[in-house]
Amino acid sequence: AQSVSQHNHHVILSEAASLELGCNYSYGGTVNLFWYVQYPGQHLQLLLKYFSGDPLVKGIKGFEAEFIKSKFSFNLRKPSVQWSDTAEYFCAVGSYNTDKLIFGTGTRLQVFP
Amino acid sequence: EAGVAQSPRYKIIEKRQSVAFWCNPISGHATLYWYQQILGQGPKLLIQFQNNGVVDDSQLPKDRFSAERLKGVDSTLKIQPAKLEDSAVYLCASSLDNRRGQGQFFGPGTRLTVL
Repeated sequence: AQSVSQHNHHVILSEAASLELGCNYSYGGTVNLFWYVQYPGQHLQLLLKYFSGDPLVKGIKGFEAEFIKSKFSFNLRKPSVQWSDTAEYFCAVGSYNTDKLIFGTGTRLQVFP
Repeated sequence: EAGVAQSPRYKIIEKRQSVAFWCNPISGHATLYWYQQILGQGPKLLIQFQNNGVVDDSQLPKDRFSAERLKGVDSTLKIQPAKLEDSAVYLCASSLDNRRGQGQFFGPGTRLTVL
């Protein structure tokens, strides 16, 4: 069955700390991978996406993610978080030829000054 | 450009009542999605439209949920009758078309509470 696992449900960091959020997927065939972010009181926004090519993808606000095909993983990273990164982060996977997405359960990130 | 619009933002009803949600996608977006997001979970796709045709409704509980997208623009999602477990945020999203690479743009959602 197609699924997405996000291992960290709640992460608490201090400003300037490094961030890595895990995402693993189970999906037959070629996939597209996404990270969405939901800031408090706002709607879901696309952070970054991978379709093909360089497995290291850079997104907005200094975020990046690395696709490791052998590990079925697409972990999100940021070298130095800010208080404004406090949000919920969702990993999602889609099939190669459609925009249909399956989401993980999300990781709540709290950054303290 | 204007984003995806949804209304109402909040709705409280009693079980067995009916409720309807409205979505206006980004202008020109052919594909429209309805998701259900239960507290503590990620969004789950309920139904996907391409223009005014249904592409995927495999996860829509058709005994109580219905959706339509007349004229290929606005869409409504209805629950009749509602159950307690329908309490969730209902998200609408749209994309330019259903080919990969377009990305989905989400609305603010409607938070439904069923008492």
